[in-house]
Amino acid sequence: AQSVTQPDIHITVSEGASLELRCNYSYGATPYLFWYVQSPGQGLQLLLKYFSGDTLVQGIKGFEAEFKRSQSSFNLRKPSVHWSDAAEYFCAVGEGGTALIFGKGTTLSVSS
Amino acid sequence: EAQVTQNPRYLITVTGKKLTVTCSQNMNHEYMSWYRQDPGLGLRQIYYSMNVEVTDKGDVPEGYKVSRKEKRNFPLILESPSPNQTSLYFCASSSRDRYGYTFGSGTRLTVV
Repeated sequence: AQSVTQPDIHITVSEGASLELRCNYSYGATPYLFWYVQSPGQGLQLLLKYFSGDTLVQGIKGFEAEFKRSQSSFNLRKPSVHWSDAAEYFCAVGEGGTALIFGKGTTLSVSS
Repeated sequence: EAQVTQNPRYLITVTGKKLTVTCSQNMNHEYMSWYRQDPGLGLRQIYYSMNVEVTDKGDVPEGYKVSRKEKRNFPLILESPSPNQTSLYFCASSSRDRYGYTFGSGTRLTVV
């Protein structure tokens, strides 16, 4: 069965430090992979997506993610975190644009 | 502005009283979907639609109905709401050609 695992429920990072959020997936074929961010009281915003091609994808707000087929991972990274990055982050996997399966999310706190 | 609009944003209702949450998108997207978000469970898909008059069940369809009579609208209907349907609901839409859901701002539903 398809599934998405985000091993870290909560992460705290100092402002200016680098960030890596982990995502592992289980999917039969080459999946479509997404990262979304949800600020408190807001809807979900698409950060980036991977379908094929270059395994390192760039997104909005300075985020990037790397697809590693051998590890079934799609980790999200940012070189320098800003206080405004504090939010909940969701990894999702799917086939086409219909049934997206979401991980349970990682809450990012940013300390000063 | 390209967006998915949900109404209402907040709703408190009583058990058994039929309600409809509206969803409209102005991007001419083929795909539309409803998700519910619950603490510790993440986002789970309720129903999705690949085009007008084409709908299918997601992971948690029990107690919900949808319709897709027009491309832009995808209302969620709760015929007889129960307290276990208290949740945060999101509507989302996606182009068939450029995958990646755009989410609405959410509807917080409380059933007492």
